[in-house]
Amino acid sequence: DGGITQSPKYLFRKEGQNVTLSCEQNLNHDAMYWYRQDPGQGLRLIYYSQIVNDFQKGDIAEGYSVSREKKESFPLTVTSAQKNPTAFYLCASTRGQWTGNTEAFFGQGTRLTVV
Amino acid sequence: ELKVEQNPLFLSMQEGKNYTIYCNYSTTSDRLYWYRQDPGKSLESLFVLLSNGAVKQEGRLMASLDTKARLSTLHITAAVHDLSATYFCAVDVNGGSNYKLTFGKGTLLTVNP
Repeated sequence: DGGITQSPKYLFRKEGQNVTLSCEQNLNHDAMYWYRQDPGQGLRLIYYSQIVNDFQKGDIAEGYSVSREKKESFPLTVTSAQKNPTAFYLCASTRGQWTGNTEAFFGQGTRLTVV
Repeated sequence: ELKVEQNPLFLSMQEGKNYTIYCNYSTTSDRLYWYRQDPGKSLESLFVLLSNGAVKQEGRLMASLDTKARLSTLHITAAVHDLSATYFCAVDVNGGSNYKLTFGKGTLLTVNP
């Protein structure tokens, strides 16, 4: 079955530690996104990528980094520079905008907690 | 910059009643999407609206798009408890090399017996 897989489901980070969240899709989608969701809040865009080897900052990129070396994969690293990383992280993918339909498909999310 | 505004942000309604959630956006677009999120879960796609005048229905939910007014509505008919969730609309700005999907803040719907 096609879909988006995020791992791990739960992640605990110590102060000053970098952690990487995995996102893999087998939908053959061109674009991938990372969103952050805080309790009771909407989705805020961290980074997005429309094509391999290219990505853009979203609205809250500070303290995060990404790579897009393969079409299927878009890992997100939460660095020690991100002072308040506790949140629910959602990865999504869409077909390219030239298809006329950019419906987003989401992974199950990673809940990151600082301990 | 594209702004997507939903209202209301919180909606408490009784079972059996009807209500409408509104989604306004600030830039020309003819691609709008509705999602549902249950507590602690990811987002599930509900409706894809790709043209002016598009109307989609699924069960007690109906979504429509008016691109000239830059407005989409999500209408709930005869609400039931199972519809309790947070509903998001999202808009895709057409064109350009750096398009992105922008979400509203979400509407938390609680359906009471």
